[in-house]
Amino acid sequence: SYELTQPPSVSVSPGQTAIITCSGDKLGDKYASWYQQKPRQSPVLVIYQDSRRPSGIPERFSGSNSGNTATLTISGTQAMDEADYYCQAWDSSRVLFGGGTQLTVL
Amino acid sequence: QVQLVQSGAEVKTPGASVKVSCKASGYIFTNYYLSWVRQAPGQGLEWMGVVYGNGGRTTYAEEFQGRVTMTSDTSTSTVYMDLSSLKSEDTAMYYCVRVLGGRPLDSFDVWGQGTMVTVSS
Repeated sequence: SYELTQPPSVSVSPGQTAIITCSGDKLGDKYASWYQQKPRQSPVLVIYQDSRRPSGIPERFSGSNSGNTATLTISGTQAMDEADYYCQAWDSSRVLFGGGTQLTVL
Repeated sequence: QVQLVQSGAEVKTPGASVKVSCKASGYIFTNYYLSWVRQAPGQGLEWMGVVYGNGGRTTYAEEFQGRVTMTSDTSTSTVYMDLSSLKSEDTAMYYCVRVLGGRPLDSFDVWGQGTMVTVSS
């Protein structure tokens, strides 16, 4: 069965660039999305169609998707970006999520 | 503004059923699909299925086939998720989410506040 794999955790210093990956077989042939979830809150869409940002999402969030890997990049990471991040993709009949990555800003 | 407002928390015993509602507002209900996503405590996100706002067409995740029913009421702009034969493993936060772009499978651009369902004897 198809799976999306994320690293369980990523750490970054404030002001630096955080990179979170999501791997899946030929993921680049699908659209990837990314969600941010802070404690006790509903997830928020931060990237869709690989690299598009919804209205209201800061420009420091960007995405790419090629080959077997989708990537979420947060430039100039701020303390408020500390959260869990989930990638998502879909095929003809189902939606899949990655296991999530806990981003720590320290 | 676009909103999805879900019903309140539920506590159920094993073997029972639960029905969670999700009332949409701020957009044309019949133009979009709505999905259900759940999250067990401390765990990741799991997609359960999707229902069309107009006509109730559905697709369910294989894991929930036979146990879940999703319906749509256009008169009240509300969708419902009914999960039967509950087990302790069904204890989770259940989210109603709008699917982007009027397609059945896509990104989720609006999320409800979540409904906590606890299954315990």
